[in-house]
Amino acid sequence: DAGVTQSPTHLIKTRGQQVTLRCSPISGHKSVSWYQQVLGQGPQFIFQYYEKEERGRGNFPDRFSARQFPNYSSELNVNALLLGDSALYLCASSLQGQETQYFGPGTRLLVL
Amino acid sequence: AQSVTQLGSHVSVSEGALVLLRCNYSSSVPPYLFWYVQYPNQGLQLLLKYTTGATLVKGINGFEAEFKKSETSFHLTKPSAHMSDAAEYFCAVSRKGNQGGKLIFGQGTELSVKP
Repeated sequence: DAGVTQSPTHLIKTRGQQVTLRCSPISGHKSVSWYQQVLGQGPQFIFQYYEKEERGRGNFPDRFSARQFPNYSSELNVNALLLGDSALYLCASSLQGQETQYFGPGTRLLVL
Repeated sequence: AQSVTQLGSHVSVSEGALVLLRCNYSSSVPPYLFWYVQYPNQGLQLLLKYTTGATLVKGINGFEAEFKKSETSFHLTKPSAHMSDAAEYFCAVSRKGNQGGKLIFGQGTELSVKP
């Protein structure tokens, strides 16, 4: 079975631009969470979506938004990019009622 | 509030030596505890988890961890290090009953294995 997939793998943007990152969960998983991992740090929770509804949000500004589609895939959008948004963005999925999250390979975003 | 502290940002061991990576947590509610490994330029892979039951948890690749409530610790060990164990290791905590939601990670410990 395929694991969590994310696209693109790498992305370069300039300050002020907008970016959309995509995630496809493991088949059968209905919960998707997004994390930001800045170089040298642990991942920080951004959002959780379950059954297309936001179920949790971390301490991130409103420039960050996300949505989940009927097929349970998800997009993370970041507007008005700042240099500090440069990071590895990780998506994780989990089965309904399960605590274990399975992570994708991430999208590495560089903001110049 | 929950938090995780990993003692030592970098640990170096010789091949065949014991691996010990330390993790202490703070939680006002019963926690779920996890160890993840991250190889260079990759995502996170689950090594093991503690939810309920036996406090000594065995994971993949010969790793194990023991939940000690009195010490609020969940240290990761492996009896004999292999070169392929070189990676970044993250301890994480979530609330019991959490279903795919917020994981709180430590800062990570980079493990180096010397031949």
